[in-house]
Amino acid sequence: EAQVTQNPRYLITVTGKKLTVTCSQNMNHEYMSWYRQDPGLGLRQIYYSMNVEVTDKGDVPEGYKVSRKEKRNFPLILESPSPNQTSLYFCASSSLAGWGYGYTFGSGTRLTVV
Amino acid sequence: SQQGEEDPQALSIQEGENATMNCSYKTSINNLQWYRQNSGRGLVHLILIRSNEREKHSGRLRVTLDTSKKSSSLLITASRAADTASYFCATAGGGTGANNLFFGTGTRLTVIP
Repeated sequence: EAQVTQNPRYLITVTGKKLTVTCSQNMNHEYMSWYRQDPGLGLRQIYYSMNVEVTDKGDVPEGYKVSRKEKRNFPLILESPSPNQTSLYFCASSSLAGWGYGYTFGSGTRLTVV
Repeated sequence: SQQGEEDPQALSIQEGENATMNCSYKTSINNLQWYRQNSGRGLVHLILIRSNEREKHSGRLRVTLDTSKKSSSLLITASRAADTASYFCATAGGGTGANNLFFGTGTRLTVIP
């Protein structure tokens, strides 16, 4: 089944403790992206990647890192999480972003930073 | 920001009625997409309409696009309780914005059985 898999689904952590949210897709998509969703603000893009070793900032990249060492994986790293990063996070992938293909989304990771 | 805006923010209808949601955006686009999200779950792609198209159908969904007004509408006909969800429009722009989708804040649709 074609899918984007995120782990974990739920995570509660303390301020400053480094964490990684994994994202993997099995569709051989070139494009992958991370979004955060907050009430009243919709989905905002954090980082995206056009292909292996190619990443770029979205609208809200501060406090996050990403890497794209393999085509299928696009982990989101919070080096020193803070409470304002409490949010619902989504990973998405697409074969040709912006040029006629919809995104496939993961099920989401609900992160709470206390 | 290229973020779109949906209208209304919330919509409540009876099962069997039609539901219409609108989306406005600010910049030129390559295409516009609609997604559905069930509470707290991932978004599901519904339909994509390109900038040179004016109308598109998929099952009970009808999408229109007016690039002169920078607006789109999503019509769900003969709604069902299972259509209860949030609906988002997302725009993909040209130039340097071509890689990314910019989402609106969504319309929360409730279909009452």
